Amino acid sequence: QKEVEQDPGPLSVPEGAIVSLNCTYSNSAFQYFMWYRQYSRKGPELLMYTYSSGNKEDGRFTAQVDKSSKYISLFIRDSQPSDSATYLCAMSGASGGGADGLTFGKGTHLIIQP
Amino acid sequence: KAGVTQTPRYLIKTRGQQVTLSCSPISGHRSVSWYQQTPGQGLQFLFEYFSETQRNKGNFPGRFSGRQFSNSRSEMNVSTLELGDSALYLCASSLGPEETQYFGPGTRLLVL
Repeated sequence: QKEVEQDPGPLSVPEGAIVSLNCTYSNSAFQYFMWYRQYSRKGPELLMYTYSSGNKEDGRFTAQVDKSSKYISLFIRDSQPSDSATYLCAMSGASGGGADGLTFGKGTHLIIQP
Repeated sequence: KAGVTQTPRYLIKTRGQQVTLSCSPISGHRSVSWYQQTPGQGLQFLFEYFSETQRNKGNFPGRFSGRQFSNSRSEMNVSTLELGDSALYLCASSLGPEETQYFGPGTRLLVL
């Protein structure tokens, strides 16, 4: 079993829909949780950064962390075609990754249909 | 402020050759991490450098090595290339080891 599980998709939704992306993990030492967005042939871009359990909102994006269930989510409201990309969850036991780096899910390919 | 830059962006090599990839971090960032991204394994941590010292290394063979210079720029080297080394190699920089990582565009390596 991989440390971080993420459905690769593709996930296709109509423009304006609410998108839910999820990851599960097995390592209880993970304390810091991130979501990155990666467009084709580009490097990952940090979207959200949260510590421990709880919710964090930034514009149309909401990140949720449930450490008791080892489950994290990213919600995108009012989805736009420009949101079409691969979304990667990442986590670590130390802030910013530390010396052990970040552990990533394989990414979910999201398609927003105009 | 300029982002992380990586050179070259694309590279084609043959089996048995070696390759050196370069990463220039965001100005003021002193920590550089390297990751390998493949369709099968996703993003995997290679190593991290801070103040010219390798702090840790992921589960990769000794053919993968790196270094960091006094200006925080970093290079990674892969010797005796194998077909399975074909991947996108990503560099990420941060202010320090405990800070948020920002990724460059990557170097796409194809081994024939």
